[in-house]
Amino acid sequence: GQQVMQIPQYQHVQEGEDFTTYCNSSTTLSNIQWYKQRPGGHPVFLIQLVKSGEVKKQKRLTFQFGEAKKNSSLHITATQTTDVGTYFCAGPSSYAAGNKLTFGGGTRVLVKP
Amino acid sequence: EAQVTQNPRYLITVTGKKLTVTCSQNMNHEYMSWYRQDPGLGLRQIYYSMNVEVTDKGDVPEGYKVSRKEKRNFPLILESPSPNQTSLYFCASSLTTGVPGEQYFGPGTRLTVT
Repeated sequence: GQQVMQIPQYQHVQEGEDFTTYCNSSTTLSNIQWYKQRPGGHPVFLIQLVKSGEVKKQKRLTFQFGEAKKNSSLHITATQTTDVGTYFCAGPSSYAAGNKLTFGGGTRVLVKP
Repeated sequence: EAQVTQNPRYLITVTGKKLTVTCSQNMNHEYMSWYRQDPGLGLRQIYYSMNVEVTDKGDVPEGYKVSRKEKRNFPLILESPSPNQTSLYFCASSLTTGVPGEQYFGPGTRLTVT
């Protein structure tokens, strides 16, 4: 079945620095979604990308969908303590029957002040 | 306020004792889904429903049942819980009538099976 991998699993970042987390699917995706889960909270939707090569920005966050629609990245600039949490990517396979949604294992971000 | 609610939020039970976790959404969403979250494994989809009376298996459906008799409710049933079902469970809903899009998550239910 479809697998979605995220790297790194953990990201320790100095406040003010930039970092990137990556998401790779074993199958082509119809869309890619990104979520953020604060410690003790529930996942909260950040953004959805649909088109091949699409790039979207939300303030200090830049999301990209790969040309082959099998990978995605989230780049955060000038990391702040409010960025702490786990970031998940998720996507439905273009080929699988039905409408399953598969999540990656997440990247847990810790910020050093 | 648009929201997804789950009950109970915390539950400790014993092996084999049937339980139901309720989920309700007030956004008239078509798509509803259950996930379990375990350390290092991310969120894994258990079951999903595209509409009333339409349900389908996710990636980890074994040991779970669901029903969708009304659009707003999507209960998760564990007929005979086992310790390996100890987990954090999330219900979610989405407006989509086709490919699943933005998911609205409930607050979660922490289940412990002893």
